[in-house]
Amino acid sequence: GAGVSQSPSNKVTEKGKDVELRCDPISGHTALYWYRQRLGQGLEFLIYFQGNSAPDKSGLPSDRFSAERTGESVSTLTIQRTQQEDSAVYLCASSLGQGGGYEQYFGPGTRLTVT
Amino acid sequence: QKEVEQDPGPLSVPEGAIVSLNCTYSNSAFQYFMWYRQYSRKGPELLMYTYSSGNKEDGRFTAQVDKSSKYISLFIRDSQPSDSATYLCAMSSGGVWGSGGYQKVTFGTGTKLQVIP
Repeated sequence: GAGVSQSPSNKVTEKGKDVELRCDPISGHTALYWYRQRLGQGLEFLIYFQGNSAPDKSGLPSDRFSAERTGESVSTLTIQRTQQEDSAVYLCASSLGQGGGYEQYFGPGTRLTVT
Repeated sequence: QKEVEQDPGPLSVPEGAIVSLNCTYSNSAFQYFMWYRQYSRKGPELLMYTYSSGNKEDGRFTAQVDKSSKYISLFIRDSQPSDSATYLCAMSSGGVWGSGGYQKVTFGTGTKLQVIP
């Protein structure tokens, strides 16, 4: 079946521009996570959505970062006024969440380069 | 000090060797321990998870957890070139695996493994 998909796969943007990254989770997965993976670093938690509950935004590094999710489907991560330190791979994962299993299924990531 | 420490490698071994990958951690609240495998330009995929201390075996892979030492290991027997990837350890303190509740996971930096034919 279809896994987690992310778009675009690569994004090059100029410093100061806004970018929007998209994640399509596995159908039926109520939980959705965004992570950032910098070169040589581990996965850095950004934000978690579970159903219609208020998201856990505790990992967002600054107010330039925001994310939305429509119900239990698509999520978008927006980075405003991008900086060079935002360059990283942004990974999305989904899981069955509450009442189900917790294995996180990851998408292939969006590789963001800020020039 | 990071909550989870993992040697980034790279680790290069000949085909057929036994590979040992390790992580140490500082948060004694961690109860769930996972190993993810990440191929180049792909997202991580879960290999194994264990709860609390002990061993778990799955085919050529064995995961060990020593909570008293805050040390976890992944062993790969009869390593194959297809095992070449980055291996990330991950840990969580919250929730119960397979039931309700939220699991916030802390990842290591990953160890890059290359198995040479």
